[in-house]
Amino acid sequence: TQLLEQSPQFLSIQEGENLTVYCNSSSVFSSLQWYRQEPGEGPVLLVTVVTGGEVKKLKRLTFQFGDARKDSSLHITAAQPGDTGLYLCAGEYNQGGKLIFGQGTELSVKP
Amino acid sequence: KAGVTQTPRYLIKTRGQQVTLSCSPISGHRSVSWYQQTPGQGLQFLFEYFSETQRNKGNFPGRFSGRQFSNSRSEMNVSTLELGDSALYLCASLGSNTGELFFGEGSRLTVL
Repeated sequence: TQLLEQSPQFLSIQEGENLTVYCNSSSVFSSLQWYRQEPGEGPVLLVTVVTGGEVKKLKRLTFQFGDARKDSSLHITAAQPGDTGLYLCAGEYNQGGKLIFGQGTELSVKP
Repeated sequence: KAGVTQTPRYLIKTRGQQVTLSCSPISGHRSVSWYQQTPGQGLQFLFEYFSETQRNKGNFPGRFSGRQFSNSRSEMNVSTLELGDSALYLCASLGSNTGELFFGEGSRLTVL
């Protein structure tokens, strides 16, 4: 069974703090994607990482793919209330619409 | 460009009934995937259709089925509903060049 362990499950922080979300597996992925989902909506893609060791930045968000392509992290600098939401990592093994999702991290940023 | 459209958005059924959910992908997208989202299990892959053929399948019982039409619209059906089938059912279409999944807003099913 292919599993993605995502941690922490819940995170409540103050505006301005930094945070890191982790996504780990024993399996190797062809790519790993990070999504953000707000209540009443479907997940929206933030980034896709493909190469081992790859680092991508999206404003205050930094995404890293592990060298062995089994793990990834999302780091948010100076979190803002607008960052509140459910963050999901998803691993892709073969091309197509099948992704294995982590359990998600429910982030709450208080002003 | 219109996004992924799912209907209905909300529905309530009773145990033993069946339900059909519909998904219209982004124009030009030929792959449609279905996912079940619950608080306990998170997002779980149901199946994927490409050009009217099931290309991938998750680990769900045979009560869960789907199909895709020639215009790429897809439907999924759940028969003999159980309480545990209560969930948000998400449909996603696959961007052919980017590999990005575009999700709809989901159909929230409640089974009483």
